[in-house]
Parts: sequence; C-alpha cells; structure tokens
Amino acid sequence: DIVMTQSPLSLSVAPGQTASISCKSSQSLLQRDGKTALYWYLQKPGQSPQLLMYEVSNRFAGLSDRFSGSGSGTEFTLQISRVEAEDVGVYYCMQSIELLTFGPGTKVEIK
Amino acid sequence: QVLLQESGPGLVRPSETLSLNCTVSGYSISTGYFWGWLRQSPGKGLEWLGTIYSSGSTFYSPSLRNRVTISLDKSKNHFSLSLTSVTASDTAVYFCARQGSGLHPDYWGRGTQVTVSS
Repeated sequence: DIVMTQSPLSLSVAPGQTASISCKSSQSLLQRDGKTALYWYLQKPGQSPQLLMYEVSNRFAGLSDRFSGSGSGTEFTLQISRVEAEDVGVYYCMQSIELLTFGPGTKVEIK
Repeated sequence: QVLLQESGPGLVRPSETLSLNCTVSGYSISTGYFWGWLRQSPGKGLEWLGTIYSSGSTFYSPSLRNRVTISLDKSKNHFSLSLTSVTASDTAVYFCARQGSGLHPDYWGRGTQVTVSS
C-alpha cells in the first residue's frame, strides 16, 4: 500500500500570512500518461471534504488563486497565501495511482 | 450542480449487514463517471471502501473485499453500499462521492454516521 504522510499535523497561522503543508508518498505518483495522481482536500468543521487541487497544481471549480500546489514524484506542497478565517479546517493529501489513500491530515487554525 | 445524499440506518448490530444508499441529483449516473464510498473514523482517518463505474464494474479495498458490495440502480439514480459482518471497528461516518477520471472524489455527500453496537 502507498503510505501518505503530512507535516506539520497542525498549524496556527495569522490572518494574511502564508501557510505551507508538506505531503510525501511512499512511492512515486507519476503515471504513465505523465500526470501525477496527487490531490488536496479541505474538510471544514462539520462538513465533508471538498476537492481543492487535482493532479498536484490544478485548482478545482473556481478555487481562489491564494491556493497553489507544487511538487513531483513523492514530495508535494500546498501553499495558502493571505490566509483568511474561512481557510480553517483539516487539509488532506490523497493519492490515486494505486487505489486511494489519504494522508493523516493537517489541522489549520487562525491565530 | 451535482448533489449526493446518503441514507440508511444509523445503528447496526454487530455481525449484521450495514446497508446505505446514495441518491444523486444534478447528474445521471448512467452517463458516466465513477461512484464510490468512503468512511471516516477517529482511529483510521479517511478510508476508501470501493468504487463502481457507470457500466457496473466494481473494485474494492483489499482490506474489505470479502465484505463489501457496491451496486447501481440507474432507474432511481442511486448507488448502494453493503458491508457484511460488521464489528465496532466499522463505526464511522460514511460518505458517498462522485469520482473523476483520476478516481479522485470531486463531489461528496454530507456523510452519515453509522454506529455498530448491540
């Protein structure tokens, strides 16, 4: 099984500052078609997860450009610029190159 | 807008079968896409259970393969989850989701709490 790890597991950010979350996979997520099967989700309090980024760096459905994704192979980063109160929640990375597995989540709160 | 809604019993007895439905609105499951079930518990985090394609082909988590079945009912535009021989470790919030071509869930239901207890 592909294991996903994230760091930090919790993060406190002042409004307007930048948050950065790291995700690592135990195997490369680069597919034969050249796409990388790495996704980011945000689960806001009391809600179901919502897709933020697909294939590392593509924003889903009108997501703010304050969110950006980067990385390749086994190491990835989600960056949130100009953090706002509505960004609080738990962020998960997920791989789908071999079934689906999620990282443990990074809890983001506002200072 | 694609909306998904889970429904089913909130309490299941140990050793019995957990059965949930997911009703889809805003999109016909006959048209395409993959449709899946996931769950979330404090001990195990987010866990994928299985997926069904609009053609009816399925694939399941190896850890649950012997206990899980997912089926489609195109006439009702819903799909279902059946999990047999449940134990307390199956207690979780269960989500249904549409999955894109990369198998990533892109639209999720709100989730339904299922507790396994006598």
